[in-house]
Amino acid sequence: LAKTTQPISMDSYEGQEVNITCSHNNIATNDYITWYQQFPSQGPRFIIQGYKTKVTNEVASLFIPADRKSSTLSLPRVSLSDTAVYYCLVGDKSRGNTPLVFGKGTRLSVIA
Amino acid sequence: DTAVSQTPKYLVTQMGNDKSIKCEQNLGHDTMYWYKQDSKKFLKIMFSYNNKELIINETVPNRFSPKSPDKAHLNLHINSLELGDSAVYFCASEDRGAVEQYFGPGTRLTVT
Repeated sequence: LAKTTQPISMDSYEGQEVNITCSHNNIATNDYITWYQQFPSQGPRFIIQGYKTKVTNEVASLFIPADRKSSTLSLPRVSLSDTAVYYCLVGDKSRGNTPLVFGKGTRLSVIA
Repeated sequence: DTAVSQTPKYLVTQMGNDKSIKCEQNLGHDTMYWYKQDSKKFLKIMFSYNNKELIINETVPNRFSPKSPDKAHLNLHINSLELGDSAVYFCASEDRGAVEQYFGPGTRLTVT
């Protein structure tokens, strides 16, 4: 499984765009990149998943360069409620159901 | 309606006791997991069940025994509890080939 590296923490003011970058130098051909969000005292929640280029949903965008050795989760105009830990995961979904391998995540603190 | 539920939410018990945590999902998923999140917030897979069959059993002491009476339920029984078992335990479920896992709210276990 590819190892991921993320910043331990980030601070942002409300209304700003937040970009969290994840490094995954050993990503394999079949690996997808997935991001989860975890609020205090709650289970992780899926945010977005992508394989290459750009993926956008109602919550976030995921940018993946051509070499796929990194990815950037972009949260537009964050609010206080976006304060959470964000996990970047890399894995091969083509092999069927597999457990998620969580790293340390990035603790995002949104300030008013 | 709650997709993945766990009971109890909090569990405080003494060393040496035996306790169980229950998990139920109403999503019709085939695969269920147990994860452990320790005090350092690392989230690690413990077990995986697919259609009531044990698929993954990570390096977990024999004191931990999962049981799946049907594919909607995955319970975790812990014998002879130790201080190091104190953690938050998350149940999750996933549909075959799906993009995301759905996590329960967690059970905070405190062993004194």
